[in-house]
Amino acid sequence: AQTVTQSQPEMSVQEAETVTLSCTYDTSESDYYLFWYKQPPSRQMILVIRQEAYKQQNATENRFSVNFQKAAKSFSLKISDSQLGDAAMYFCAYRSAMGNNNDMRFGAGTRLTVKP
Amino acid sequence: DAGVIQSPRHEVTEMGQEVTLRCKPISGHNSLFWYRQTMMRGLELLIYFNNNVPIDDSGMPEDRFSAKMPNASFSTLKIQPSEPRDSAVYFCASGTRGYEQYFGPGTRLTVT
Repeated sequence: AQTVTQSQPEMSVQEAETVTLSCTYDTSESDYYLFWYKQPPSRQMILVIRQEAYKQQNATENRFSVNFQKAAKSFSLKISDSQLGDAAMYFCAYRSAMGNNNDMRFGAGTRLTVKP
Repeated sequence: DAGVIQSPRHEVTEMGQEVTLRCKPISGHNSLFWYRQTMMRGLELLIYFNNNVPIDDSGMPEDRFSAKMPNASFSTLKIQPSEPRDSAVYFCASGTRGYEQYFGPGTRLTVT
């Protein structure tokens, strides 16, 4: 079974600085998707960024980018020019692209604090 | 698009009572997921449906929990009888195969 590990329960960053959140996963599959979700205090789960495993190019969405290392099974999230509104729980997630398996595996989350 | 709709947003009930949580997925999505989130256990997948058919219910904690999806636009998660340890935030999410899941706002359940 696939597992997702976020080894940093908490992180903090100064406003306008850059922070990187770590995520590793375990799978024997070759085709899959990886995601980062953000959960602010409102508890709404918001998709931040998505990466297809077959793509070598790292995904980027404005200030958010990933460092996808398929061989190392690593999928870190970099937040540039951090803003106060970035403060939230961040979840890394894995989803198989094979067969009829549509469920998503989530990590335990990293709580990000942004200091003004 | 209104997104995934869940009701109620908050539910407070007494132990032993029946609780029904409702979800309307995004139109056109053929997969629907029910999750439970607690501080202790994080985000847990309870059950998911493809094309209204339950595919994997291995995450359903016990027989007190049941879920149905009578049509493509509606699903329910029922707890009968409810217990204090069921207190959590319950999320419904929908998606299409191979793509991200879109989450509803969640239902905060408190069982006293």
